Amino acid sequence: GAGVSQSPSNKVTEKGKDVELRCDPISGHTALYWYRQRLGQGLEFLIYFQGNSAPDKSGLPSDRFSAERTGESVSTLTIQRTQQEDSAVYLCASSFQRGGETQYFGPGTRLLVL
Amino acid sequence: TQLLEQSPQFLSIQEGENLTVYCNSSSVFSSLQWYRQEPGEGPVLLVTVVTGGEVKKLKRLTFQFGDARKDSSLHITAAQPGDTGLYLCAGADRTGGFKTIFGAGTRLFVKA
Repeated sequence: GAGVSQSPSNKVTEKGKDVELRCDPISGHTALYWYRQRLGQGLEFLIYFQGNSAPDKSGLPSDRFSAERTGESVSTLTIQRTQQEDSAVYLCASSFQRGGETQYFGPGTRLLVL
Repeated sequence: TQLLEQSPQFLSIQEGENLTVYCNSSSVFSSLQWYRQEPGEGPVLLVTVVTGGEVKKLKRLTFQFGDARKDSSLHITAAQPGDTGLYLCAGADRTGGFKTIFGAGTRLFVKA
């Protein structure tokens, strides 16, 4: 497809379970971002990948959160031992170049932790 | 820590009214962007402003970047129900790293 895709679109899980969220960026985009958006809130930066450089993990809220990206392609965000406060929409975005360029967002994964 | 504060947080107006949304920071940004997000979707870029004092128009939307590149405003003329959504400003600082800082957003509801 031409845009950023994310899967699953919705995920319901039980407290304590691990979840894995996937993001397929636009082909050729070197930068990839993950954000968290709680209900009625703005975007909270989580992590940023730029090519083969070390990712900027400064936004990850705890060591239960981790993310990987293979080269300039797919990225996965993993949340271990989920908590109810992890419930949110997780948005992925990609951009052609690093920093300040237009970010193209996916539709998000809506995570509900019961 | 860089922060972007948006005001108002929520705005409910009648169709045809004008409105202005503000985005303020104590930090200088290399560029500032405005996005609009509709329910169930990701944000979509409206405009990027780069030069201090810059004004850009997009149909009924007017965007202004402050002279000091610390603040921005979005003015909508004759609002329509289709303008309803969450308006987010985002600042990029290329000197201190490359992540973009987002404001908390202004939620606009335009009643027909």
